[in-house]
Amino acid sequence: NAGVTQTPKFRVLKTGQSMTLLCAQDMNHEYMYWYRQDPGMGLRLIHYSVGEGTTAKGEVPDGYNVSRLKKQNFLLGLESAAPSQTSVYFCASSPRTPRNYGYTFGSGTRLTVV
Amino acid sequence: AQKVTQAQTEISVVEKEDVTLDCVYETRDTTYYLFWYKQPPSGELVFLIRRNSFDEQNEISGRYSWNFQKSTSSFNFTITASQVVDSAVYFCALSEAREEVDSNYQLIWGAGTKLIIKP
Repeated sequence: NAGVTQTPKFRVLKTGQSMTLLCAQDMNHEYMYWYRQDPGMGLRLIHYSVGEGTTAKGEVPDGYNVSRLKKQNFLLGLESAAPSQTSVYFCASSPRTPRNYGYTFGSGTRLTVV
Repeated sequence: AQKVTQAQTEISVVEKEDVTLDCVYETRDTTYYLFWYKQPPSGELVFLIRRNSFDEQNEISGRYSWNFQKSTSSFNFTITASQVVDSAVYFCALSEAREEVDSNYQLIWGAGTKLIIKP
């Protein structure tokens, strides 16, 4: 039972480079989310999706783009990486609104931008 | 505005001691939901409990217990007879139930409390 799978687990980028983080879930969840976790700040929502083909901005969307072409996948893109985007990124999914079900999280992607 | 405060940045106790992690929240709503998550050193986030604002009964699950007090806007988490495997960062989170779209999909997170259990 894979749950939520994130790839890659680690990545080092140079400033200005681009990359895509992949999140895949096998639980047939409708809702998917991308969070970033920074020391002392808890988790902050970047973007989320309430269904295939839909995306919406969260609390800190600047510098990121997302796509949900298939229900099971949610991609997070960094068009031009900046050192401020050094963080741990978590993908999560939920069957309906998180207040009722909470989240299932992936294991995280540690990104360093130098 | 909604907010979750975990004032204890780090707690260190010796194994078998009881320990309480504090969580204080702010919300304008009468209906809301509170969560606790555990993040062990391996990094994944593990769901522990969800509680809605209408249920003030304390919850016990093995060595874990939660004390929800609306009068003080607190949702504290106690580990009894702590074990080394309890070492982790623990997060408290809040979800409101207003009709505005954005609030339906976001949990508001505290900064986390790092719990160290020494053998």
